[in-house]
Amino acid sequence: KAGVTQTPRYLIKTRGQQVTLSCSPISGHRSVSWYQQTPGQGLQFLFEYFSETQRNKGNFPGRFSGRQFSNSRSEMNVSTLELGDSALYLCASSLAGDHSNQPQHFGDGTRLSIL
Amino acid sequence: DAKTTQPNSMESNEEEPVHLPCNHSTISGTDYIHWYRQLPSQGPEYVIHGLTSNVNNRMASLAIAEDRKSSTLILHRATLRDAAVYYCILRDVFINSGYALNFGKGTSLLVTP
Repeated sequence: KAGVTQTPRYLIKTRGQQVTLSCSPISGHRSVSWYQQTPGQGLQFLFEYFSETQRNKGNFPGRFSGRQFSNSRSEMNVSTLELGDSALYLCASSLAGDHSNQPQHFGDGTRLSIL
Repeated sequence: DAKTTQPNSMESNEEEPVHLPCNHSTISGTDYIHWYRQLPSQGPEYVIHGLTSNVNNRMASLAIAEDRKSSTLILHRATLRDAAVYYCILRDVFINSGYALNFGKGTSLLVTP
Protein backbone atom coordinates (compact mmCIF):
# COMPACT_ATOMS: atom_id res chain seq x y z
CA LYS A 1 0.00 0.00 0.00
CA ALA A 2 1.48 3.35 -1.02
CA GLY A 3 2.17 5.83 1.75
CA VAL A 4 1.58 9.56 1.87
CA THR A 5 3.32 11.20 -1.08
CA GLN A 6 4.48 14.79 -1.02
CA THR A 7 5.80 16.71 -3.99
CA PRO A 8 8.20 18.24 -4.57
CA ARG A 9 10.73 16.99 -1.99
CA TYR A 10 12.84 20.12 -2.20
CA LEU A 11 12.05 23.65 -3.31
CA ILE A 12 13.95 26.91 -3.40
CA LYS A 13 12.11 30.20 -3.68
CA THR A 14 12.88 33.86 -3.13
CA ARG A 15 11.15 36.34 -0.83
CA GLY A 16 7.86 37.65 -2.15
CA GLN A 17 7.13 34.65 -4.35
CA GLN A 18 4.34 32.19 -3.75
CA VAL A 19 4.52 28.41 -3.60
CA THR A 20 2.15 25.44 -3.85
CA LEU A 21 2.92 22.11 -2.23
CA SER A 22 1.08 18.90 -3.01
CA CYS A 23 0.06 15.90 -0.92
CA SER A 24 -1.46 12.61 -2.00
CA PRO A 25 -2.90 10.74 0.99
CA ILE A 26 -3.08 7.02 1.47
CA SER A 27 -5.88 5.54 -0.63
CA GLY A 28 -9.17 5.70 1.28
CA HIS A 29 -8.01 8.34 3.75
CA ARG A 30 -10.25 11.40 3.89
CA SER A 31 -8.47 13.53 6.47
CA VAL A 32 -5.37 15.45 5.43
CA SER A 33 -3.39 17.66 7.80
CA TRP A 34 -0.45 19.96 7.22
CA TYR A 35 2.35 20.79 9.65
CA GLN A 36 5.34 23.11 9.57
CA GLN A 37 8.59 21.97 11.19
CA THR A 38 11.42 24.37 12.01
CA PRO A 39 14.41 23.97 14.37
CA GLY A 40 13.16 26.79 16.58
CA GLN A 41 9.43 26.09 16.79
CA GLY A 42 9.35 22.35 16.20
CA LEU A 43 6.30 20.74 14.62
CA GLN A 44 3.36 23.14 14.39
CA PHE A 45 -0.10 22.37 13.09
CA LEU A 46 -1.22 24.41 10.08
CA PHE A 47 -4.64 23.08 9.09
CA GLU A 48 -6.68 19.97 8.47
CA TYR A 49 -9.10 19.12 5.68
CA PHE A 50 -11.79 16.49 5.73
CA SER A 51 -14.15 15.83 2.84
CA GLU A 52 -12.96 18.99 1.06
CA THR A 53 -13.73 21.20 4.09
CA GLN A 54 -11.27 22.81 6.47
CA ARG A 55 -11.98 21.20 9.83
CA ASN A 56 -9.21 22.66 11.98
CA LYS A 57 -6.86 25.60 11.64
CA GLY A 58 -3.67 26.45 13.49
CA ASN A 59 -2.31 29.85 14.42
CA PHE A 60 -0.71 30.90 11.15
CA PRO A 61 -1.25 34.06 9.08
CA GLY A 62 -3.63 34.16 6.15
CA ARG A 63 -0.71 33.82 3.73
CA PHE A 64 -0.94 30.11 4.46
CA SER A 65 -3.90 28.44 2.82
CA GLY A 66 -4.92 25.05 1.62
CA ARG A 67 -7.55 23.05 -0.14
CA GLN A 68 -8.63 19.50 -0.63
CA PHE A 69 -9.98 17.93 -3.79
CA SER A 70 -12.72 15.36 -4.22
CA ASN A 71 -10.14 12.57 -4.46
CA SER A 72 -8.75 13.70 -1.04
CA ARG A 73 -5.53 15.01 -2.52
CA SER A 74 -4.54 18.29 -0.91
CA GLU A 75 -2.48 21.34 -1.71
CA MET A 76 -1.18 24.08 0.49
CA ASN A 77 -0.20 27.50 -0.74
CA VAL A 78 2.02 30.13 0.83
CA SER A 79 1.90 33.61 -0.68
CA THR A 80 4.36 36.49 -0.28
CA LEU A 81 7.08 34.22 1.03
CA GLU A 82 9.25 35.39 3.92
CA LEU A 83 12.64 34.12 5.07
CA GLY A 84 10.96 32.66 8.15
CA ASP A 85 8.85 30.39 5.98
CA SER A 86 11.90 28.22 5.35
CA ALA A 87 10.90 24.90 6.87
CA LEU A 88 9.98 21.29 6.36
CA TYR A 89 6.29 21.05 5.46
CA LEU A 90 4.72 17.76 6.42
CA CYS A 91 1.46 16.28 5.27
CA ALA A 92 -0.40 13.57 7.18
CA SER A 93 -3.47 11.55 6.30
CA SER A 94 -5.88 9.52 8.35
CA LEU A 95 -8.78 7.21 7.84
CA ALA A 96 -10.51 9.21 10.57
CA GLY A 97 -14.08 10.25 10.64
CA ASP A 98 -15.28 12.48 13.42
CA HIS A 99 -13.92 11.89 16.94
CA SER A 100 -11.68 9.08 15.78
CA ASN A 101 -8.44 7.77 17.24
CA GLN A 102 -7.16 6.44 13.95
CA PRO A 103 -3.43 7.30 13.72
CA GLN A 104 -2.06 9.86 11.32
CA HIS A 105 0.32 8.71 8.62
CA PHE A 106 2.96 11.21 7.59
CA GLY A 107 4.82 11.82 4.38
CA ASP A 108 8.52 12.68 4.39
CA GLY A 109 7.82 16.33 3.71
CA THR A 110 8.76 19.10 1.35
CA ARG A 111 11.87 21.06 2.31
CA LEU A 112 11.24 24.71 1.39
CA SER A 113 14.14 27.14 1.40
CA ILE A 114 13.62 30.87 0.97
CA LEU A 115 16.51 32.97 -0.31
CA ASP B 1 -5.64 19.70 24.63
CA ALA B 2 -3.62 19.48 27.86
CA LYS B 3 0.15 19.85 27.87
CA THR B 4 2.85 17.17 28.24
CA THR B 5 6.38 17.33 29.66
CA GLN B 6 9.18 15.10 28.42
CA PRO B 7 12.94 15.02 29.03
CA ASN B 8 14.89 16.69 26.24
CA SER B 9 17.10 13.69 25.64
CA MET B 10 17.85 10.15 26.77
CA GLU B 11 20.51 7.62 25.96
CA SER B 12 20.34 3.85 25.81
CA ASN B 13 22.54 0.93 24.90
CA GLU B 14 21.58 -1.28 22.01
CA GLU B 15 19.51 -4.37 22.91
CA GLU B 16 18.54 -2.94 26.31
CA PRO B 17 15.01 -1.81 27.30
CA VAL B 18 14.22 1.89 27.15
CA HIS B 19 11.65 3.68 29.29
CA LEU B 20 10.60 7.06 27.92
CA PRO B 21 8.61 9.10 30.48
CA CYS B 22 5.89 11.65 29.88
CA ASN B 23 4.17 13.82 32.48
CA HIS B 24 0.67 15.14 31.84
CA SER B 25 -0.61 16.35 35.20
CA THR B 26 -3.52 18.35 33.69
CA ILE B 27 -4.86 15.47 31.61
CA SER B 28 -8.64 15.33 31.33
CA GLY B 29 -10.75 12.21 31.57
CA THR B 30 -11.28 12.08 27.83
CA ASP B 31 -7.68 12.73 26.73
CA TYR B 32 -6.05 9.85 24.89
CA ILE B 33 -2.27 9.51 25.18
CA HIS B 34 -0.58 9.15 21.81
CA TRP B 35 3.07 8.51 20.98
CA TYR B 36 4.73 9.29 17.69
CA ARG B 37 8.39 9.18 16.76
CA GLN B 38 10.40 10.90 14.08
CA LEU B 39 13.49 9.25 12.64
CA PRO B 40 16.12 11.48 11.03
CA SER B 41 15.07 12.86 7.65
CA GLN B 42 11.61 11.30 7.87
CA GLY B 43 8.11 12.36 8.81
CA PRO B 44 6.70 11.34 12.19
CA GLU B 45 5.52 7.77 12.65
CA TYR B 46 2.67 6.58 14.88
CA VAL B 47 3.84 4.30 17.69
CA ILE B 48 0.98 3.60 20.10
CA HIS B 49 -1.93 5.16 21.99
CA GLY B 50 -4.06 4.43 25.04
CA LEU B 51 -6.61 5.84 27.45
CA THR B 52 -6.41 4.08 30.83
CA SER B 53 -5.14 0.54 30.45
CA ASN B 54 -1.63 -0.46 29.46
CA VAL B 55 -1.28 -1.18 25.75
CA ASN B 56 1.06 -3.39 23.73
CA ASN B 57 1.75 -3.58 20.02
CA ARG B 58 4.55 -4.85 17.82
CA MET B 59 6.54 -1.64 18.23
CA ALA B 60 6.27 -0.83 21.92
CA SER B 61 4.30 -0.90 25.16
CA LEU B 62 2.53 1.98 26.84
CA ALA B 63 2.28 1.99 30.62
CA ILE B 64 -0.22 4.48 32.03
CA ALA B 65 -0.17 5.49 35.69
CA GLU B 66 -3.29 4.76 37.69
CA ASP B 67 -4.03 8.49 38.16
CA ARG B 68 -3.18 9.06 34.45
CA LYS B 69 -0.91 11.98 35.30
CA SER B 70 2.04 10.24 33.69
CA SER B 71 2.83 7.50 31.19
CA THR B 72 5.85 5.60 29.95
CA LEU B 73 6.66 4.36 26.48
CA ILE B 74 8.64 1.14 26.69
CA LEU B 75 10.87 -0.13 23.91
CA HIS B 76 11.66 -3.64 25.01
CA ARG B 77 14.91 -4.03 23.16
CA ALA B 78 16.37 -0.89 21.63
CA THR B 79 18.01 -1.08 18.23
CA LEU B 80 20.02 1.54 16.39
CA ARG B 81 16.97 2.11 14.23
CA ASP B 82 15.04 3.30 17.30
CA ALA B 83 17.18 6.44 17.54
CA ALA B 84 14.61 9.17 16.98
CA VAL B 85 12.67 11.99 18.61
CA TYR B 86 9.73 10.59 20.56
CA TYR B 87 6.64 12.73 21.06
CA CYS B 88 4.00 12.23 23.75
CA ILE B 89 0.73 13.90 22.70
CA LEU B 90 -2.65 14.21 24.38
CA ARG B 91 -5.72 14.21 22.20
CA ASP B 92 -9.32 14.73 23.30
CA VAL B 93 -11.36 13.16 20.55
CA PHE B 94 -14.62 14.31 22.08
CA ILE B 95 -13.72 18.00 22.01
CA ASN B 96 -11.51 17.96 18.96
CA SER B 97 -13.37 16.22 16.18
CA GLY B 98 -10.41 16.30 13.86
CA TYR B 99 -6.63 16.35 13.94
CA ALA B 100 -4.60 19.21 15.32
CA LEU B 101 -1.80 17.41 17.11
CA ASN B 102 0.39 19.43 19.50
CA PHE B 103 3.79 17.76 19.17
CA GLY B 104 5.80 19.69 21.73
CA LYS B 105 9.60 19.27 21.82
CA GLY B 106 9.74 15.54 22.40
CA THR B 107 12.59 13.37 23.71
CA SER B 108 15.61 12.75 21.52
CA LEU B 109 16.68 9.13 22.05
CA LEU B 110 20.28 8.18 21.33
CA VAL B 111 21.04 4.47 21.01
CA THR B 112 24.66 3.43 21.25
CA PRO B 113 26.11 0.09 20.09
